[in-house]
Amino acid sequence: NAGVTQTPKFRILKIGQSMTLQCTQDMNHNYMYWYRQDPGMGLKLIYYSVGAGITDKGEVPNGYNVSRSTTEDFPLRLELAAPSQTSVYFCASSYRETQYFGPGTRLLVL
Amino acid sequence: LAKTTQPISMDSYEGQEVNITCSHNNIATNDYITWYQQFPSQGPRFIIQGYKTKVTNEVASLFIPADRKSSTLSLPRVSLSDTAVYYCLVGLILTGGGNKLTFGTGTQLKVEL
Repeated sequence: NAGVTQTPKFRILKIGQSMTLQCTQDMNHNYMYWYRQDPGMGLKLIYYSVGAGITDKGEVPNGYNVSRSTTEDFPLRLELAAPSQTSVYFCASSYRETQYFGPGTRLLVL
Repeated sequence: LAKTTQPISMDSYEGQEVNITCSHNNIATNDYITWYQQFPSQGPRFIIQGYKTKVTNEVASLFIPADRKSSTLSLPRVSLSDTAVYYCLVGLILTGGGNKLTFGTGTQLKVEL
C-alpha cells in the first residue's frame, strides 16, 4: 500500500492564482482530513470528510474548498491565493484512533 | 474541543527515560487522549492512544490518572532518532472510523549524546 499520497510536493503561486492540492489514499478509509501547518506551529484542521459526498468545515476553512467524489480522493482547492495561505498542507485519512498522514505539500504565495 | 497544554521543549540524553506531561482540564467524558510524533518535513505519526489508566505498546507508555485531566507520555531509553515534536491531542473517536482532534503547538524533544 502507498498509504496517503499528495501532489505536488512544492508549489509557488502568485497572489490571486488558484490551484488544487491532490490527496489520494489506498487504505479504503472513510474519513479524510486536510490540515495546514505554519512554521513552528501545530496543525490546524481545514476540512474533513466522513465519506464520499460528505464534507464539513474544520477550524480554518476560509479561502478553501473541498470535494469528495470517491473514497480514495480528497482534493483541496484554493481559489484566490493570498500570502496568508503560505504554509505546509497535510492530508490524512483515518481508521478509528489512527490518522495516517501524507508527506505534505509546501505552498508559497508571493 | 478540549484544549491541551504541554511544555514547549525538553532536553534529554540517549538512554534516559523521557516523560512528557500534557494537561487537558476540560476533557469530555467521551474524549480519548492521543499522542503523535512529527519529524521535520514529515507528517505526524501516531504513537499511542488511551482513555484511562495505563496503555503500553512497543514504543511508548501512556499514563492517565483517574480524573483524566492530564496524561503523561513515557519514552523508555530514548535515542537520537527520537528527537522530534510530540503532540498531545484530545478528542472524539467518531462512528465509522474517524476522529476529531485538535493539535496544539507540541513539545520539541531534543536528545543528545
